[in-house]
Formats: sequence, C-alpha cells, structure tokens
Amino acid sequence: NAGVTQTPKFQVLKTGQSMTLQCAQDMNHEYMSWYRQDPGMGLRLIHYSVGAGITDQGEVPNGYNVSRSTTEDFPLRLLLAAPSQTSVYFCASSLMGSVTDTQYFGPGTRLTVL
Amino acid sequence: GQSLEQPSEVTAVEGAIVQINCTYQTSGFYGLSWYQQHDGGAPTFLSYNGLDGLEETGRFSSFLSRSDSYGYLLLQELQMKDSASYFCAVAFSSGSARQLTFGSGTQLTVLP
Repeated sequence: NAGVTQTPKFQVLKTGQSMTLQCAQDMNHEYMSWYRQDPGMGLRLIHYSVGAGITDQGEVPNGYNVSRSTTEDFPLRLLLAAPSQTSVYFCASSLMGSVTDTQYFGPGTRLTVL
Repeated sequence: GQSLEQPSEVTAVEGAIVQINCTYQTSGFYGLSWYQQHDGGAPTFLSYNGLDGLEETGRFSSFLSRSDSYGYLLLQELQMKDSASYFCAVAFSSGSARQLTFGSGTQLTVLP
C-alpha cells in the first residue's frame, strides 16, 4: 500500500493564479481531509469529506474548494491564490468509526504564493 | 469553538523522562490524541485517550483527565530521534463527522 500520496511536493504560484493539489489514498478510507500548517503552528482543518459526494467545511475554508467523486481521491483547489495561502498543505485519511480517529497523513505540498 | 494549550518548547537530555502537557476547551469532546512530526515531515499518530487514565505504548504513555480537561504525553528513556514536534489534538463532534483540532505543538529537543 502506498498510503496517502500528494502531488506536487513543491509549488510556486503568482498571486491570482489557480491550481489543484492532488491527494489519493489506497486504504479504502471513507474520511479524508485537508489541513494547512503555517510556520510554528498546528494544523488547521480546511475541508473534509466523509465519503464520495459528501464534503464539508472545516475551520479555514475560505479560498479553497474541494470535491470527492471517488473514495480514493480528494483534490483541493485554490481559486485565486493569495500570499496568505503560502503554507504546507497536508492531506489525511482515516477509517470512519475508528475509535481513535487515527489520521494518516500524506507527505505534504509546500506552496509559495508570490 | 475549540482551543488547546501546550508548551511551545521543551528541552531534555538523552535517557531522561519528559512530560508534555495539554489543556483544552472543547464542546462535543470525544478524546485526546497525540501526534509526532519531525522537521518537514508528515505528522504520525502516537496515542489516543478516550477515557480517563493512562495508556502505555512502549516508551510513550499518554494520560487524560476529562474532568480537568487535561492530558499529557510522557516520553521515557529519551533518544536523540525523539527530537521532534508533538501535537495534542482533540476529537469532537461537528457537522457530518468527528473532527480533530490540533494544538500549536511542542518542540522537543533532546540533548546528548
């Protein structure tokens, strides 16, 4: 199993550009989520999904869109990139109904918006 | 809303024991988790407490007191490779599923 994979690893955008961060998991997990991590801070939830066709907002959803057409994939779209979106983005998945809610994280995408 | 507090930095020497505390204010609380993150890496799950008391996993133990909204992570027989950031996270009920809110992290430095 590859676990949770994310592409690209690094990305530089100009203000106003749009892009999609890719996330895929091969563990058949129903729950997938996107977090951002700013320097010296914890992870903040952007959006999450409890299954194909179902998404919901987290703590910091503004400026981001998500969709979940399959169990495996959960892409994150930045609509009009802004310097405030410079961050490290982590995708995570977990098994619904798991007592521990253990999140399995991907390696991250390091995004810089100029 | 949810809020968590944990120390920003802790330093200890190899072989020692260190305790990282976490206090929280959460509605719809389910449990408290701990994650480890090495520089630039993905966070990895360490432990979970859904009930009061101590959970032990090898050199790591985690404790929860729901009545005090308090927990801690205890690391024993510290090794250099334990130098990392440690995050507490509360699981709570919101929207269509449980969510996790993470603390800001504690940077642990292990000295030789």
